[in-house]
Amino acid sequence: QSVLTQPPSVSGAPGQRVTISCTGSSSNIGAGYDIHWYQQLPGTAPKLLIYGNSNRPSGVPDRFSGSKSGTSASLAISGLQAEDEADYYCQSYDSSLSGSYVFGTGTKVTVL
Amino acid sequence: QVQLVQSGAEVKKPGASVKVSCKVSGYTLSELSMHWVRQAPGKGLEWMGGFDPEDGETIYAQRFQGRVTMTEDTFTDTAYMELSSLRSEDTAVYYCTTKWGSDSYQSYFDYWGQGTLVTVSS
Repeated sequence: QSVLTQPPSVSGAPGQRVTISCTGSSSNIGAGYDIHWYQQLPGTAPKLLIYGNSNRPSGVPDRFSGSKSGTSASLAISGLQAEDEADYYCQSYDSSLSGSYVFGTGTKVTVL
Repeated sequence: QVQLVQSGAEVKKPGASVKVSCKVSGYTLSELSMHWVRQAPGKGLEWMGGFDPEDGETIYAQRFQGRVTMTEDTFTDTAYMELSSLRSEDTAVYYCTTKWGSDSYQSYFDYWGQGTLVTVSS
């Protein structure tokens, strides 16, 4: 019952570009709260991938990029590689219900 | 570089409580804003609460209010999350994570512990 909705899965062949959407509302993304993205490899803790809508932490390849517009955001992976197969989550803040940090529903990326 | 090392897996009966620890190294706990996130098997990430340096208080997600307590021992740089009245739906991996950002508009979680599996079963 997350307030941030993502597609359950996306897939692509190696070298292709895939995008993951994160749809929110006027109480989170639309209210100006930043969007951040995390990558979770199987059996491991989440790892920060994109912060502040479009910034990459040190060590994250520039194949990963983020954007935000209105009440939604997206993560793009260009030049898809086998090691990109993982779960991806968006995260923001929601000002309704006393306020809370919220995660998206998660998207499984499969490299064909 | 912040490192977070959590305590080991736990098995608890319904109605019991569990206390998970998270030991900080590389920084002192007082320099950080520690939060907790859980993930049920095969499910997504769920924020539970954490220390908000803006007002110096610990904030909890509404659905855990009254059942969760987050504390910190600054002498040992160890954070704790205690969840009571456990039920089967609380079976999950619990992560400690540090929040970066001075306000909720820009805050994100930059460092993560390895996770602690809590299994609730009769």
